[in-house]
Amino acid sequence: GIQVEQSPPDLILQEGANSTLRCNFSDSVNNLQWFHQNPWGQLINLFYIPSGTKQNGRLSATTVATERYSLLYISSSQTTDSGVYFCAVTNQGGSEKLVFGKGTKLTVN
Amino acid sequence: GAGVSQSPSNKVTEKGKDVELRCDPISGHTALYWYRQSLGQGLEFLIYFQGNSAPDKSGLPSDRFSAERTGGSVSTLTIQRTQQEDSAVYLCASSPVTVGELFFGEGSRLTVL
Repeated sequence: GIQVEQSPPDLILQEGANSTLRCNFSDSVNNLQWFHQNPWGQLINLFYIPSGTKQNGRLSATTVATERYSLLYISSSQTTDSGVYFCAVTNQGGSEKLVFGKGTKLTVN
Repeated sequence: GAGVSQSPSNKVTEKGKDVELRCDPISGHTALYWYRQSLGQGLEFLIYFQGNSAPDKSGLPSDRFSAERTGGSVSTLTIQRTQQEDSAVYLCASSPVTVGELFFGEGSRLTVL
């Protein structure tokens, strides 16, 4: 099945810093989502972005489907940004299930 | 309600007992997913329902696990003869279309003693 790799696995930032999280996938996708799992465990949708670029406040995401990667940018980080960021994809032409990466754990001090 | 609703939010059970977890998806959403998340781990796919199609059960870890979706809406995940390794948070998600944006509930935390 499709493989999803996220990097870095852990990231520690000072408040106000910027960061880039990466998601690589091993095959063509027709669905890609970024989620933030807060410290209480709730999964919050950030972006539905199978291709292109989107922005929402301090967050933006870019997916280059032909190169099989997606990037999540966090600018001017805040302590409330702490948590785990997951990338998840659906393999085009394959199973319709959403396959998750192992996540990037972000700590903003 | 406006979001995906799951119950119970917490369940503690003894090894060997059966448990049922319920998911009420967002109204009108045709696709429904169950995932499992063990402590500190990523999300493991369990089962997927889409409309009247046969469910994708490829992620169910053993025959002790089963799920049904009645009337294309509410879903129940049943775990028979629970084991300690079944302890995890069970997450349900729904989507308005076959391959679309997923919306997750808050999960059911299962602890097997």
